[in-house]
Amino acid sequence: QQPVQSPQAVILREGEDAVINCSSSKALYSVHWYRQKHGEAPVFLMILLKGGEQKGHDKISASFNEKKQQSSLYLTASQLSYSGTYFCGTEVRRDDKIIFGKGTRLHILP
Amino acid sequence: GAVVSQHPSWVICKSGTSVKIECRSLDFQATTMFWYRQFPKQSLMLMATSNEGSKATYEQGVEKDKFLINHASLTLSTLTVTSAHPEDSSFYICSARDPYIQYFGAGTRLSVL
Repeated sequence: QQPVQSPQAVILREGEDAVINCSSSKALYSVHWYRQKHGEAPVFLMILLKGGEQKGHDKISASFNEKKQQSSLYLTASQLSYSGTYFCGTEVRRDDKIIFGKGTRLHILP
Repeated sequence: GAVVSQHPSWVICKSGTSVKIECRSLDFQATTMFWYRQFPKQSLMLMATSNEGSKATYEQGVEKDKFLINHASLTLSTLTVTSAHPEDSSFYICSARDPYIQYFGAGTRLSVL
């Protein structure tokens, strides 16, 4: 089942912070975060595993609430290069397929 | 990070022809690769899971005979769109897992005239 992302879109000025949320109705093994720019492939940002382990990006942080099956991606002091569409993907078992949400469009203004 | 190569990046073909898209993991072995389809401003829709040495697992609603997947080796999976029609025009993206992280190819934009 497709995870639900919010907000659908957000516009920020450079330097501002943003939070993108992802929730699932199923118990999750992991949550994956990607950023995609127009016409390009998604780029890996972060993976959060059940049990608290995280692997990912130095400048972006995320949380995973296993009880609520929710994850949030935190973008602090946003830069112009952060613009794009952010997708969360969820996995219910290890090595299972990843199902992606509909995406959150982030636009950073100078 | 690991590199996944996808070719071609853009293909234009006539209706009724078949198109083959290649996906290679360049610096790691991938027993499992994934094929996604993406329409403009929409999400990544999983089409099928490609397993090395065995048949692909297709998602509900995906026509197996139209979208042929072959995972011939630990570094190569191919997607063939058979008898393509204009409604098959889309952005097709492959990915491979190494081992927790799923890396994506650059995608193939298919335009069927």
